[in-house]
Amino acid sequence: GQQVMQIPQYQHVQEGEDFTTYCNSSTTLSNIQWYKQRPGGHPVFLIQLVKSGEVKKQKRLTFQFGEAKKNSSLHITATQTTDVGTYFCAGGSSNTGKLIFGQGTTLQVKP
Amino acid sequence: NAGVTQTPKFQVLKTGQSMTLQCAQDMNHEYMSWYRQDPGMGLRLIHYSVGAGITDQGEVPNGYNVSRSTTEDFPLRLLSAAPSQTSVYFCASRMQGASEQYFGPGTRLTVT
Repeated sequence: GQQVMQIPQYQHVQEGEDFTTYCNSSTTLSNIQWYKQRPGGHPVFLIQLVKSGEVKKQKRLTFQFGEAKKNSSLHITATQTTDVGTYFCAGGSSNTGKLIFGQGTTLQVKP
Repeated sequence: NAGVTQTPKFQVLKTGQSMTLQCAQDMNHEYMSWYRQDPGMGLRLIHYSVGAGITDQGEVPNGYNVSRSTTEDFPLRLLSAAPSQTSVYFCASRMQGASEQYFGPGTRLTVT
């Protein structure tokens, strides 16, 4: 079945360093969503990308959707301690419309 | 608006017991879903509903039942709990056709 793989699983950075997490699908996606989950909390929707090659920015966060609509990335510039948490991508299946979540990347930021 | 609410927050069950996890939303969202979250596995879809009276299976439906008698409520039933069902369960809702999903605070379930 369709799989969405996310790497790395963990990332420790010094405050001020950049951070990137990557998401890869075994099949073409109709869309990609990104969520953030703080420790002990619930996932919170960040953004959705739909178009091939799309790039969207939210302050220090940059989201990209690959040309083939099979991969995506989230880049955080100059991390802050408030960025700590687990970031999930979720790919929308072109066949079923259902969301398939990646395993998540847990970000730790050292002050 | 309370958003998406879930009860209970924590639950311990013995193998073979049954229980219902409650989920309610006050945003008039048509689409509701249940996920389970296990370490290193992200969120996996259990069941979902596109409106009152309509439910369908997700990736991991075995051992779980759902019903949707009203727009607001979407309970998840475990008929005979197994240790493999130890997990954190999240309910989510969204408007039909919208992308943003709103998650509840979760229920942490332990089956011994």
